[in-house]
Amino acid sequence: ELQLVESGGGLVQPGRSLRLSCTASGFTFGDCAMSWVRQAPGKGLEWVGFIRSKPYGETTDYAASVKGRFIISRDDSKSIAYLQMNSLKTEDTAVYYCTRERAVAVTSFDYWGQGTLVTVSS
Amino acid sequence: DIQMTQSPSSLSASVGDRVTITCRASQSINSFLNWYQQKPGKAPDLLIYAASILQSGVPSRFSGSGSGTDFTLTISSLQPEDFAAYYCQQNYITPYSFGQGTKLEIK
Repeated sequence: ELQLVESGGGLVQPGRSLRLSCTASGFTFGDCAMSWVRQAPGKGLEWVGFIRSKPYGETTDYAASVKGRFIISRDDSKSIAYLQMNSLKTEDTAVYYCTRERAVAVTSFDYWGQGTLVTVSS
Repeated sequence: DIQMTQSPSSLSASVGDRVTITCRASQSINSFLNWYQQKPGKAPDLLIYAASILQSGVPSRFSGSGSGTDFTLTISSLQPEDFAAYYCQQNYITPYSFGQGTKLEIK
């Protein structure tokens, strides 16, 4: 069974850092691009960024709201994607989901983790 | 950046109703449009990709159409489990963007 499990969320003070992990199972992790999507409390979905697979250079791209502060990386040997969040702001408070990108006809997010809550507050 | 605008933002309907949600992109995205359903406290689920292709396991009462800038999601006969939030999303170009969502509620 394909599964994505996020971990690492919690309460953090503004300006501090936090690293989220997304552990994948049930598919060939190294073949897939992975994205992070977040949802602030009571709000809609916001794409955070992605990392492509090794054949595509493991290149990354980010939303403007997090560019320069967040870094996505991956360890294919462990089937884990990471979201390193630096210089956190109160507006980064959200549930963070990792998603698998599937490229069939178009790219879509066909599997999602359960999400992990990040609360940025003093 | 491409802006995605959904309408309506909320909708009240009854079991058995036919419902249509629209999504408009600020520029042409061909058919690079996906629809997701999200129930309270849960992660979103992919419903439709490439504007009109039903994801495996999704009931046939769901359908999608459109290309370019205008898209629709239609539920032909609402079932109790369909009351949820729905989001469109473009994957044409980064930054990928979602619509603001449509909350479908029971009348």
